[in-house]
Amino acid sequence: DGGITQSPKYLFRKEGQNVTLSCEQNLNHDAMYWYRQDPGQGLRLIYYSQIVNDFQKGDIAEGYSVSREKKESFPLTVTSAQKNPTAFYLCASSIVLAGGADEQFFGPGTRLTVL
Amino acid sequence: GQNIDQPTEMTATEGAIVQINCTYQTSGFNGLFWYQQHAGEAPTFLSYNVLDGLEEKGRFSSFLSRSKGYSYLLLKELQMKDSASYLCAPCDSNYQLIWGAGTKLIIKP
Repeated sequence: DGGITQSPKYLFRKEGQNVTLSCEQNLNHDAMYWYRQDPGQGLRLIYYSQIVNDFQKGDIAEGYSVSREKKESFPLTVTSAQKNPTAFYLCASSIVLAGGADEQFFGPGTRLTVL
Repeated sequence: GQNIDQPTEMTATEGAIVQINCTYQTSGFNGLFWYQQHAGEAPTFLSYNVLDGLEEKGRFSSFLSRSKGYSYLLLKELQMKDSASYLCAPCDSNYQLIWGAGTKLIIKP
């Protein structure tokens, strides 16, 4: 079955530690995205990538880093510089259509709690 | 700036019809998406409108007026499983989705 996987579903970390969230897709999509969702707010874009070895900052990239070494994988690292990291993190992917808007497919999410 | 406005919460009765409105202001426009999100889960795609008018898909329909910066999602024959948040997301000139905070829909028996 094609889809997007994120692991783990729940993650607990101590303040000051870096943590990496995984995202893998087998949909053969070119574009991948990381969003953060907080209660009462819309999804906010952290980083996105439209091609391997290239990625762009979203609206709230500070304190986060990503890599895109393979088409299938787009891991997100939450660094100790992120002031308020506790949130629900969603990874998504989409085909890149020329001149069109693309439906995004989401993984199940990772709920990160920093203690 | 870019802004999305949709009601925070709505309540409806099982079997009834509900309309969830969304107004938006974006830098450019390349269509508008509606997603459904159950609590604690990922959003799932419902509809996409790029031209004015109504798109019908089973019990769900979505309407767009580009000149008014307005869209709505219409849900008919409501079922308990429709209790979820509904996210409005217009696509801007850079083909990025701008997400509203979502409307939490509560269905009562």
